[in-house]
Amino acid sequence: DAGVIQSPRHEVTEMGQEVTLRCKPISGHNSLFWYRQTMMRGLELLIYFNNNVPIDDSGMPEDRFSAKMPNASFSTLKIQPSEPRDSAVYFCASILQGAYNEQFFGPGTRLTVL
Amino acid sequence: AQSVTQLDSQVPVFEEAPVELRCNYSSSVSVYLFWYVQYPNQGLQLLLKYLSGSTLVKGINGFEAEFNKSQTSFHLRKPSVHISDTAEYFCALSIQGAQKLVFGQGTRLTINP
Repeated sequence: DAGVIQSPRHEVTEMGQEVTLRCKPISGHNSLFWYRQTMMRGLELLIYFNNNVPIDDSGMPEDRFSAKMPNASFSTLKIQPSEPRDSAVYFCASILQGAYNEQFFGPGTRLTVL
Repeated sequence: AQSVTQLDSQVPVFEEAPVELRCNYSSSVSVYLFWYVQYPNQGLQLLLKYLSGSTLVKGINGFEAEFNKSQTSFHLRKPSVHISDTAEYFCALSIQGAQKLVFGQGTRLTINP
């Protein structure tokens, strides 16, 4: 298996632009998580899905952030409009529900907002 | 609520020396415990996990951890480190039956030659 796939790996954009991050979970996994990692705040859970349904979005910082999972093999995290404080590494992780919560992480997307 | 505290933000050691990375947790219910490793510019990778049973858990790359319920700790150890162990290490827990992981702030392990 190719593991969790994220794209792009790096994104540089200007303040005010829309940013879309993409994630393909491991085939057969039915839960997906989006995290943000910064030096100041460490690793934060933004939102997670079970069977394509958002379960907990309490970590989404504000309305500028939105996430979707239209099917079992694809999810997006969108920031509109982006701000410099959104600069971070965004990780996607997936698990097979019931498998003792072992999350498999993607390589991350490094976002820089100028 | 559950929480994880990693007591050291940075740990420098010499190559071939032993190392211990400390992790304490807080929870009123039973938990699963995990250690993840993050190499530079990569995602997190599972090192080992404690689910139940033997309190000494062995993981990849020669790492092991011991679950201590009375001290609510799950410290990670390696008897002899290598330059390639340079990375950030995260302790995490989940409540049994739940899916969310609660992460500690991470410990940066630096190996000096």
